[in-house]
Amino acid sequence: QKEVEQNSGPLSVPEGAIASLNCTYSDRGSQSFFWYRQYSGKSPELIMFIYSNGDKEDGRFTAQLNKASQYVSLLIRDSQPSDSATYLCAVKDSSYKLIFGSGTRLLVRP
Amino acid sequence: EPEVTQTPSHQVTQMGQEVILRCVPISNHLYFYWYRQILGQKVEFLVSFYNNEISEKSEIFDDQFSVERPDGSNFTLKIRSTKLEDSAMYFCASSAPAGGPWETQYFGPGTRLLVL
Repeated sequence: QKEVEQNSGPLSVPEGAIASLNCTYSDRGSQSFFWYRQYSGKSPELIMFIYSNGDKEDGRFTAQLNKASQYVSLLIRDSQPSDSATYLCAVKDSSYKLIFGSGTRLLVRP
Repeated sequence: EPEVTQTPSHQVTQMGQEVILRCVPISNHLYFYWYRQILGQKVEFLVSFYNNEISEKSEIFDDQFSVERPDGSNFTLKIRSTKLEDSAMYFCASSAPAGGPWETQYFGPGTRLLVL
């Protein structure tokens, strides 16, 4: 059974701080890794993807991938109250499906 | 910006009834998916669809479920005889044929299904 694990949180950070969200996965054959944001009652919204080891930056977001450790993270710089949501880590292997973690709830305090 | 649309946004049905959930994927996308999310739980893959056939399905996607692309724009999920445990948010997603591992799936707003 392929698993994606995330700390459920909530992770509480003050406005302007860096939020660090972590995810581990069990399948070494996983090829690509996605971060989605989900507001309560809404659908997952893509933030970014990564498929090579190292860091990938997009605006205030940085995704980090370490395939040897089977670990992927998302850093959110200058966190804003509007970033308060559940962040879903999803992993795709050579098949078509995304395997989601249960999500980490982020609270950004004004 | 193109987006995936889904109808209806909410559906209430009686146990044992058939429901059809509808999706319009992004127009140039060729891969289509259904996922579901039971309240408070993970998003779970149900089925993927490409070139008018199922590419992959999960254990959840049993004989009660079927998918169809009845025309050039719609993609439907049918549940033949709904059970209480089918109550969930159902998300349609689509992706473009980028051909690589970075191929991203874009999700519709979801249909909240409640089975009574």
